[in-house]
Amino acid sequence: AQSVTQPDIHITVSEGASLELRCNYSYGATPYLFWYVQSPGQGLQLLLKYFSGDTLVQGIKGFEAEFKRSQSSFNLRKPSVHWSDAAEYFCAVHTGTASKLTFGTGTRLQVTL
Amino acid sequence: DADVTQTPRNRITKTGKRIMLECSQTKGHDRMYWYRQDPGLGLRLIYYSFDVKDINKGEISDGYSVSRQAQAKFSLSLESAIPNQTALYFCATSDLAGQETQYFGPGTRLLVL
Repeated sequence: AQSVTQPDIHITVSEGASLELRCNYSYGATPYLFWYVQSPGQGLQLLLKYFSGDTLVQGIKGFEAEFKRSQSSFNLRKPSVHWSDAAEYFCAVHTGTASKLTFGTGTRLQVTL
Repeated sequence: DADVTQTPRNRITKTGKRIMLECSQTKGHDRMYWYRQDPGLGLRLIYYSFDVKDINKGEISDGYSVSRQAQAKFSLSLESAIPNQTALYFCATSDLAGQETQYFGPGTRLLVL
């Protein structure tokens, strides 16, 4: 069965600093990969997704993610973090066979001014 | 107006009570899902439905039931609520043509006393 690991439970960065959130998945083939963001008291908003093609994908709010098959990773990055980026971030995979998303446990981002 | 709506947004109930959480969508998607979110556990799938006549159990369906009243409506019931069902519940929708990208409602926060 597929699984998703987000090794960092909590990350704190300064406003303006760069950000990288890690995501590793376990699956034999190339899955569909997603990053969602959950702001306090809000639902989940899709940031970006990868299905195939270019391994660097751009998303909303200035986020990007890179799929690395050799490392089974799909890390989320942002060059300069804004205070409004403080939220919880979830990586998810869909393998196309089980017909469901499997989520990681999330990384909570705190941004200091 | 939001594409995926959930009612109620907050609910407090007592152990043993039956409650229903409702989800409606205007996206025209065939597939609908119910997840629960617990701190440190991410989102876990309770039930999903690919069309009005198709209902499937997810990874944590015990203690829950669902009804797909129409393409646009998918409700989740707790037959006899217990305190460990206290959680944040999300409804989501997807369209196969959209390659399983799921769109989430704002969530229902449930407290079982």
